Amino acid sequence: SAVISQKPSRDICQRGTSLTIQCQVDSQVTMMFWYRQQPGQSLTLIATANQGSEATYESGFVIDKFPISRPNLTFSTLTVSNMSPEDSSIYLCSGGVGLTDTQYFGPGTRLTVL
Amino acid sequence: GQQVMQIPQYQHVQEGEDFTTYCNSSTTLSNIQWYKQRPGGHPVFLIQLVKSGEVKKQKRLTFQFGEAKKNSSLHITATQTTDVGTYFCAGVRMDSSYKLIFGSGTRLLVRP
Repeated sequence: SAVISQKPSRDICQRGTSLTIQCQVDSQVTMMFWYRQQPGQSLTLIATANQGSEATYESGFVIDKFPISRPNLTFSTLTVSNMSPEDSSIYLCSGGVGLTDTQYFGPGTRLTVL
Repeated sequence: GQQVMQIPQYQHVQEGEDFTTYCNSSTTLSNIQWYKQRPGGHPVFLIQLVKSGEVKKQKRLTFQFGEAKKNSSLHITATQTTDVGTYFCAGVRMDSSYKLIFGSGTRLLVRP
């Protein structure tokens, strides 16, 4: 198994600013993903964080808005840029040890944009 | 695009009653995983099903994967208040993307 930590756990931000969320895994994982979850809703995949290369984004998500880094196998960041109230959500990262293995989720970052 | 739907959306049961949530994919899945998310928490992995027609049990929980690998179910026998939470199925696509497509979730409430 893997233990995943995220920081910050929550933040309240002003419209137009940016926030970078960090995700740290306690062991090397092959795959890392970033999700968004609105209250009471399911998880929506934002992108796959690729080590040493550009992330792979899902439809509706773009690099300019959600730049992602993954410099090594245990760490990734997601930036929410030029925030608006519509970006208020919980952002979760996940990691999997194998290519089709189970995903271990971080505790999430609760973002509120005023 | 590929969708994974779950029914029901909500289920409110009396403690001791059984509970079942159903998961249906628009396309064939490589495998399916089930997660539980407690209120205020993050999704926690429960189980993975890989083979067509597979059935797995974890104490009071029974998981099934359909023969066509497009549907799955989770059945809880004699629910307890500790079962409260949202149950998500998540399908792994057949292509090489290894992405999890999460179902819409079923929220379970248990009356003591």
